[in-house]
Amino acid sequence: SQTIHQWPATLVQPVGSPLSLECTVEGTSNPNLYWYRQAAGRGLQLLFYSVGIGQISSEVPQNLSASRPQDRQFILSSKKLLLSDSGFYLCAWSVGDRDNQPQHFGDGTRLSIL
Amino acid sequence: QQPVQSPQAVILREGEDAVINCSSSKALYSVHWYRQKHGEAPVFLMILLKGGEQKGHEKISASFNEKKQQSSLYLTASQLSYSGTYFCGTDRSWGKLQFGAGTQVVVTP
Repeated sequence: SQTIHQWPATLVQPVGSPLSLECTVEGTSNPNLYWYRQAAGRGLQLLFYSVGIGQISSEVPQNLSASRPQDRQFILSSKKLLLSDSGFYLCAWSVGDRDNQPQHFGDGTRLSIL
Repeated sequence: QQPVQSPQAVILREGEDAVINCSSSKALYSVHWYRQKHGEAPVFLMILLKGGEQKGHEKISASFNEKKQQSSLYLTASQLSYSGTYFCGTDRSWGKLQFGAGTQVVVTP
């Protein structure tokens, strides 16, 4: 069966520091991968979307970037964090090359910027 | 443009029914429904496709009205485990979802 791992679970970072959040998927090949951010009490906002290695689509202009160095690895990064980057970050995957597929979420990372 | 969910919140007693609506100003291709428990990740419930197809998950079902650009989620004979926040997501293309702000459901004994 497929599993998705995300780490760390919680992170507290000072303003201006760099960020690296990692997500890996097991048990499937060539998945579509997604990064979402959820502000407290709000819905999910799609940040990045990837259909394959090195193929990243950015959905909103922001202080963050994403990379997909391997088929089942998705990384969210920032060079300098802002206060507004605080939130709950979720990675998700769906079956690649097929439309109308459910998305399966990792447990998320709670990021607090001080 | 994110879809609009209503109501924002609903409180139910066990066994009662509720309906959550999700409306879009744009033509809908498909609608996803997820439930998120406090502090946890969202969990997939079902996908509704064009054609008004109704799907079910336990005693939770949903419909999709293409003409009205609306989907509705039906919680029937609610259980305590149904508590959580329900999100609809509209698919712009190939999994790029736009989520509504969510509907908080509280089921009490």
